[in-house]
Amino acid sequence: DAGITQSPRHKVTETGTPVTLRCHQTENHRYMYWYRQDPGHGLRLIHYSYGVKDTDKGEVSDGYSVSRSKTEDFLLTLESATSSQTSVYFCAISEGVEANEKLFFGSGTQLSVL
Amino acid sequence: SQKIEQNSEALNIQEGKTATLTCNYTNYSPAYLQWYRQDPGRGPVFLLLIRENEKEKRKERLKVTFDTTLKQSLFHITASQPADSATYLCARRNQGGKLIFGQGTELSVKP
Repeated sequence: DAGITQSPRHKVTETGTPVTLRCHQTENHRYMYWYRQDPGHGLRLIHYSYGVKDTDKGEVSDGYSVSRSKTEDFLLTLESATSSQTSVYFCAISEGVEANEKLFFGSGTQLSVL
Repeated sequence: SQKIEQNSEALNIQEGKTATLTCNYTNYSPAYLQWYRQDPGRGPVFLLLIRENEKEKRKERLKVTFDTTLKQSLFHITASQPADSATYLCARRNQGGKLIFGQGTELSVKP
């Protein structure tokens, strides 16, 4: 998957606990993204990063925070997990944001919040 | 809002036939539309993109068309095979530059 590693691949947690998902890339791409994928909603952008320490919100950012201290790592944190955050989370990278730039995705993290 | 819509119903076809998937978008026309393939348990993989002034784009058995009048892109797989079974997603950049995706259409090719 284009040098993108997500960890963990699966996680089960309880409501109210903090959770951090990690995305690591070896492509040296500037842009990194977190999406969630749910039946009936498709892929929705949570947060994205356009450089080290530069991040911004996507369409479904409530309840999530991100950090990017190094080019290769982008962390997604659920401060206090809720059952509505049960989902499959995908990290993606791109070299740029021009209209013809494609995204490369990781294999995803299946998160279950009980 | 800048929506992108795909038929959420699964498409079942017989091996050897042509599969046609539809992607419709609203509001302003994107400069490009992108198509991705997603297998179960995997992330989407980029297949093709088509520019707004291109009527058609081909790659092996894949063909994509772009009709800015209808605000629609069609994705065709000719001589379909069981290995083509997957979910296919279309995507476009919104005016903020973010890539937004349709819900995807699940294709099942029966031998």
